[in-house]
Amino acid sequence: DAKTTQPPSMDCAEGRAANLPCNHSTISGNEYVYWYRQIHSQGPQYIIHGLKNNETNEMASLIITEDRKSSTLILPHATLRDTAVYYCIGRSNTGNQFYFGTGTSLTVIP
Amino acid sequence: GAGVSQSPSNKVTEKGKDVELRCDPISGHTALYWYRQSLGQGLEFLIYFQGNSAPDKSGLPSDRFSAERTGGSVSTLTIQRTQQEDSAVYLCASSPSAYETQYFGPGTRLLVL
Repeated sequence: DAKTTQPPSMDCAEGRAANLPCNHSTISGNEYVYWYRQIHSQGPQYIIHGLKNNETNEMASLIITEDRKSSTLILPHATLRDTAVYYCIGRSNTGNQFYFGTGTSLTVIP
Repeated sequence: GAGVSQSPSNKVTEKGKDVELRCDPISGHTALYWYRQSLGQGLEFLIYFQGNSAPDKSGLPSDRFSAERTGGSVSTLTIQRTQQEDSAVYLCASSPSAYETQYFGPGTRLLVL
């Protein structure tokens, strides 16, 4: 599974879009990019995943570059409840576990 | 629908005692995973069950750790002769089948005194 690199922390103003970057330059063709977040004292929460195409759901959008070496998670209108640690994970379709790094600690500021 | 549930939510024990942590996966999910998260750290994989296949125990840190899954549903993680370094949050996740999106429970916070 691909190693991912994320900035350790970011701030975002409430109501603005939060753009969380992730580098996964060693990702292989069959590896999906998954995003989870973990709010303090809770279990990780699934957000979104994708392979090649950009994806959108009710929580977020995932933009994957054409070469698949990086991606960006977009929270379109950040709220205070979006303050959490966000994990970007590369996972093959033959891998049976997720490798969580230390993620990005996002703080949404009033 | 109901998510993954874990019990107890918190457990305080004395060094040397055994503890059992329980996980109830989402109904119908055939894959079940245990992870451990120490304070301020990422998740560490422990063990994986898929259907009736032999579990993947490659992440268990020592032979004091074991897990079983009865009837393809509920799982119990047992830690024998607990040590202070076992203090962590133990997280369980399930997925509809292997290699699909994992859904996590709230975790059990274990403190070994």
